[in-house]
Amino acid sequence: DAMVIQNPRYQVTQFGKPVTLSCSQTLNHNVMYWYQQKSSQAPKLLFHYYDKDFNNEADTPDNFQSRRPNTSFCFLDIRSPGLGDAAMYLCATSRVVGQGSGYTFGSGTRLTVV
Amino acid sequence: SQELEQSPQSLIVQEGKNLTINCTSSKTLYGLYWYKQKYGEGLIFLMMLQKGGEEKSHEKITAKLDEKKQQSSLHITASQPSHAGIYLCGADNQAGTALIFGKGTTLSVSS
Repeated sequence: DAMVIQNPRYQVTQFGKPVTLSCSQTLNHNVMYWYQQKSSQAPKLLFHYYDKDFNNEADTPDNFQSRRPNTSFCFLDIRSPGLGDAAMYLCATSRVVGQGSGYTFGSGTRLTVV
Repeated sequence: SQELEQSPQSLIVQEGKNLTINCTSSKTLYGLYWYKQKYGEGLIFLMMLQKGGEEKSHEKITAKLDEKKQQSSLHITASQPSHAGIYLCGADNQAGTALIFGKGTTLSVSS
């Protein structure tokens, strides 16, 4: 089945130690998104890629970076995780950008910072 | 900026009872999505509504978008324990580049 896969499901990292979260898709969608969801809060968009075109949200901290080496994969890099970065990180895809595109979400990676 | 407000924030119902969750937007909705999330897991797509007055159903869940396209409701008939989870409404942002979300409604179903 075509899907969005996030690895790992659970990630524990040390305060200040760089960590990378992975997302892959078999849908051949052009757009890939990263959302951060803290406990009991709405998912918040960090950035998205439209093909190779990177689009950062204005309020996304510089500590968060992303790479998309090819259509199928997108990575979220947290350069120096702080305790406040502990959250569920959700990857999503859509075929195109635009209202009504339709989005597919992965199962998420829960990040713990110790 | 556009905001989505969901009500109620949480809901406890007895198995077999009906319930409704509401989502109100501060601006006109161009695409309204309903997702379900089990605690600690990803989002499962339920339904998408685009047209004013549109209504869609899947099994015991019905979603409606009002004529003015600023409010949507999600109705569950004869709730079951399997319906328990967090229900999130999402909407295309004004730029049409991504989804924004409400804070979610936590549903518990007691047997």
